[in-house]
Amino acid sequence: GAVVSQHPSWVICKSGTSVKIECRSLDFQATTMFWYRQFPKQSLMLMATSNEGSKATYEQGVEKDKFLINHASLTLSTLTVTSAHPEDSSFYICSAPGTYQETQYFGPGTRLLVL
Amino acid sequence: GNSVTQMEGPVTLSEEAFLTINCTYTATGYPSLFWYVQYPGEGLQLLLKATKADDKGSNKGFEATYRKETTSFHLEKGSVQVSDSAVYFCALSAVTGANSKLTFGKGITLSVRP
Repeated sequence: GAVVSQHPSWVICKSGTSVKIECRSLDFQATTMFWYRQFPKQSLMLMATSNEGSKATYEQGVEKDKFLINHASLTLSTLTVTSAHPEDSSFYICSAPGTYQETQYFGPGTRLLVL
Repeated sequence: GNSVTQMEGPVTLSEEAFLTINCTYTATGYPSLFWYVQYPGEGLQLLLKATKADDKGSNKGFEATYRKETTSFHLEKGSVQVSDSAVYFCALSAVTGANSKLTFGKGITLSVRP
């Protein structure tokens, strides 16, 4: 089946630094990818829709200048958390639409801890 | 707006026990409903889905029926196994298709004891 990978799986950084998270579709192409955020014991919340070759679409309340998304190719989308602060610590998950049962394939997630 | 409510967890069961995980939703129109499962260290995987009222989704012994009258999509399995230990998420999308946005419940952790 289709596989989506994320890198890194775990990152710890100092407050004020920027962190880049990669999301790759390994054996299929994805013109669209989704980025979610999950706080402990909370739902996955959609942050933005990443579109290959065009600007990302952000959900209400998500700062586009804080969370930069670049969909550089049909198999790669990146999320950069700029000037990270402790409140940005969370679990970030990406997904890409697939053809099987018209559903999405999810990456394993990236846990970010900002000190 | 759309929302999904799942019962509070975690849930711990003995092997071969009966499982029910409750899920109710709020949505306008006729959403599609999903159950996703996340095994340790892996990404979410589609477990089953239903796209219209009274549809029953089933997979790997799990079942859920789309009940419009009670706005519910409860997950059931007659006899759980240790390998079913995972986190289960109920979700909906307002429109069909893989490009549609998903709204998730909080997820519930299931642990099955041998």
